[in-house]
Amino acid sequence: EVQLVESGGGLVQPGGSLKISCAASGFIFSDYWMTWVRQAPGKGLEWVANIKRDGSEKNYVDSVKGRFTISRDNAKNSLYLQMNSLRAEDTAIYYCTRGLVVWGQGTLVTVSS
Amino acid sequence: QAVVTQEPSLTVSPRGTVTLTCGSSTGAVTSGHRPYWFQQKPGLAPRALIYDTSNKHSWTPARFSGSLLGGKAALTLSGAQPEDEADYYCLLFYSGIWVFGGGTKLTVL
Repeated sequence: EVQLVESGGGLVQPGGSLKISCAASGFIFSDYWMTWVRQAPGKGLEWVANIKRDGSEKNYVDSVKGRFTISRDNAKNSLYLQMNSLRAEDTAIYYCTRGLVVWGQGTLVTVSS
Repeated sequence: QAVVTQEPSLTVSPRGTVTLTCGSSTGAVTSGHRPYWFQQKPGLAPRALIYDTSNKHSWTPARFSGSLLGGKAALTLSGAQPEDEADYYCLLFYSGIWVFGGGTKLTVL
């Protein structure tokens, strides 16, 4: 069964850092682009970042450039999002997706003092 | 970055037909924007319905179809069912990055 499971969300203070993860199973992880999408409480979806199969290409939405870093470890079938200089507006459920088709259940990141 | 626009809300009668649209601030939406459509119900992750303008996934009900219409991407629902009440999001591709529309809340009433 194809599955994506996010973890690592939680409460963090403004200006702080957090690294969230996505564990993939049921498919050849290294064959797919992977993407992070977020959704603030009660709001719409926002595409955040994606990464090429071998990690050689990464793209980001303007609002997170220079603060967030997407990465992957194909040996561990895992996707990551390192988030620095967090702001209140980064509060959201963060979803990991495989090719925008398969989605995880999301992990909640709350930025608040 | 570009802004993608959708109708905030629409209502359709059971068994009726409705078209949701997706526009781009940069001009006409083309196949090069690779329009995707997603359905999201409360408390759940989004579910992909349409990719690359008009292609359906194996789980996409036949009553949903995607197209380009009048310079926009369009999602048409023909024969609405109560279970189609949900939020619908389009997604467009812009040279390496993707941008979601604000979503359409579809009511079946």
